[in-house]
Order: sequence, then structure tokens, then C-alpha cells
Amino acid sequence: QKEVEQNSGPLSVPEGAIASLNCTYSDRGSQSFFWYRQYSGKSPELIMSIYSNGDKEDGRFTAQLNKASQYVSLLIRDSQPSDSATYLCAVSNTGKLIFGQGTTLQVKP
Amino acid sequence: DTAVSQTPKYLVTQMGNDKSIKCEQNLGHDTMYWYKQDSKKFLKIMFSYNNKELIINETVPNRFSPKSPDKAHLNLHINSLELGDSAVYFCASSHPGGRDATGELFFGEGSRLTVL
Repeated sequence: QKEVEQNSGPLSVPEGAIASLNCTYSDRGSQSFFWYRQYSGKSPELIMSIYSNGDKEDGRFTAQLNKASQYVSLLIRDSQPSDSATYLCAVSNTGKLIFGQGTTLQVKP
Repeated sequence: DTAVSQTPKYLVTQMGNDKSIKCEQNLGHDTMYWYKQDSKKFLKIMFSYNNKELIINETVPNRFSPKSPDKAHLNLHINSLELGDSAVYFCASSHPGGRDATGELFFGEGSRLTVL
């Protein structure tokens, strides 16, 4: 079993829709969770971090964490073509960051 | 001013050769990393240094040797290159403070290595 799992996609949504990206992790003791965005040919950049169960909102982005289910998600409201990228879920574990394989999001105008 | 810079951005070389990638950060961070991203976009940690001291050394072949001359620099030397070493290598650094500095990474632009 992979430590951090994501559906590789692509996930295709129309412009203005809500994009929902999901991630599960295997280590129940994990405490810190992150979402990175990576545009094609570019480096990953941190967009959200979440540490407690529940929702955390930042602009059009909402991260959701459910430690009992070992599940993290990222919602993008009012999706824009500029949101088209690969979204990497990452979990901090014993001092190192473990990444999922990423979900490619395509937002169609 | 680039925060985390890597050179070179592209390397194309033959199997068996040796190559180096250099990384520098001007963010004042104490911790630096090397990550490898394969063709399937899977990003995996290789090494981590904190203030010049090696703190994470994943199961990486010993052909890969990192070196940190000071906390702002982390280099990666690869001996006897193999086809499977072809990937994008990212350098990153993390903030000394924050709730979980290990998760809040600033990445360089990446160095794409192609081994023929």
C-alpha cells in the first residue's frame, strides 16, 4: 500500500464549477497535511496546509481533514482555467514529507 | 531575486558519466532537501540537511552523494549514471519556524537529467 494515495486523473471540470481532489494516507500517526500545486514544467508550490480535523478555507480553496478516516481533500470553488495543474497531496511523517502521485486537474473554458 | 536556485536546469549525458547539480537558497532557511520526480510525477525525498548536517538519507544508491558546504548550499553529485537516473531533481528548503517546517517547502525550478 502506498503511503499517500491520490487518483491520478485527469479530473476535468467546466469553468466555474467546484473541483474536488481527494487523498488518503496510511500512517494514522500523521499530524500535518499539505496541498501543493504544480504547473506543467514548473516546480511544486504550497497552496494549503491543514493540521486539525475539519475545514480550512483560503480564498477559493478549502482543505478538509478527517483523521479518523485518514482522508484529506481539497475543494476549489469557481474553478478557472488557470487552476489547471497537478495537485500533490503531502503528509508529514517523522520529519519528512511524503507526496502522493498527484491529481491532474483540467478546467475547461 | 530567485529564492531557491538550481544549476544546471538541463543535463543530457551518457550512461556511466558523472554529473553534479548545485543548489543555493537565499531565504535564510536552515534545512535543505533533494527530491527526485520521476516520469510519472511521483516526488520522492532523497536527502535532507539541517545546517550542513545530514538528517535524512533515504534508500538511495550510494552513487548519489550530497554535500552541503554551508546552510545556504546543497549540491548533489551522481557517479556512474544509469538510465533509471533520468528524472527531474528538485532542491528545496524549509522555514525554520512554523508549526511543521518539514511540510512547508520552497522548491527550486528543478534540474532535468536525461541519461542516454
